[in-house]
Amino acid sequence: EPEVTQTPSHQVTQMGQEVILRCVPISNHLYFYWYRQILGQKVEFLVSFYNNEISEKSEIFDDQFSVERPDGSNFTLKIRSTKLEDSAMYFCATRDRGLYNEQFFGPGTRLTVL
Amino acid sequence: QKEVEQDPGPLSVPEGAIVSLNCTYSNSAFQYFMWYRQYSRKGPELLMYTYSSGNKEDGRFTAQVDKSSKYISLFIRDSQPSDSATYLCAFPYPYSGTYKYIFGTGTRLKVLA
Repeated sequence: EPEVTQTPSHQVTQMGQEVILRCVPISNHLYFYWYRQILGQKVEFLVSFYNNEISEKSEIFDDQFSVERPDGSNFTLKIRSTKLEDSAMYFCATRDRGLYNEQFFGPGTRLTVL
Repeated sequence: QKEVEQDPGPLSVPEGAIVSLNCTYSNSAFQYFMWYRQYSRKGPELLMYTYSSGNKEDGRFTAQVDKSSKYISLFIRDSQPSDSATYLCAFPYPYSGTYKYIFGTGTRLKVLA
């Protein structure tokens, strides 16, 4: 069964450093999402991406965040200058066309900012 | 009022028990209602989704929607230790061009052998 993969599984970084989280979507899926889950809190939407551009972003997704599909397959989330409060699980999700089709989630990247 | 409310638990039940998990929501525009299961340190995976009011059954799982009360439930029959996980209700946001999900906080379930 096709699945969404994410790398790395765990990233430790120093405050102020840049990190790039990578996702390989299910092929032929058209919509891509990043969600965040701070420990003990709910899963929160960060950004959605369709047709090579950002469709929607939350207020969490400020100027230090960016997303791209650099090679048409990987989908990346970059955090330019990490803060302590960026420590969380980051989930990539993808879905096929169709309004309410299921979003498939990757296993997540645990980001720890020291 | 929060858009989605879900009791975080934890909920501990003996093996074989019937489990009831619930969410309330405030946005009457929600049309689809999803239940995801999340094992520790894993991504959410879809269990079931429903569209209209009423019940939908899949094996040991039943999803129930009451749109008039803005209340959804997930029932697990004959619960097993392997059902121990966090259960998340999720709602595709109808005003979002890409139908982002609005999640509940998740209910942590532990089924004791």
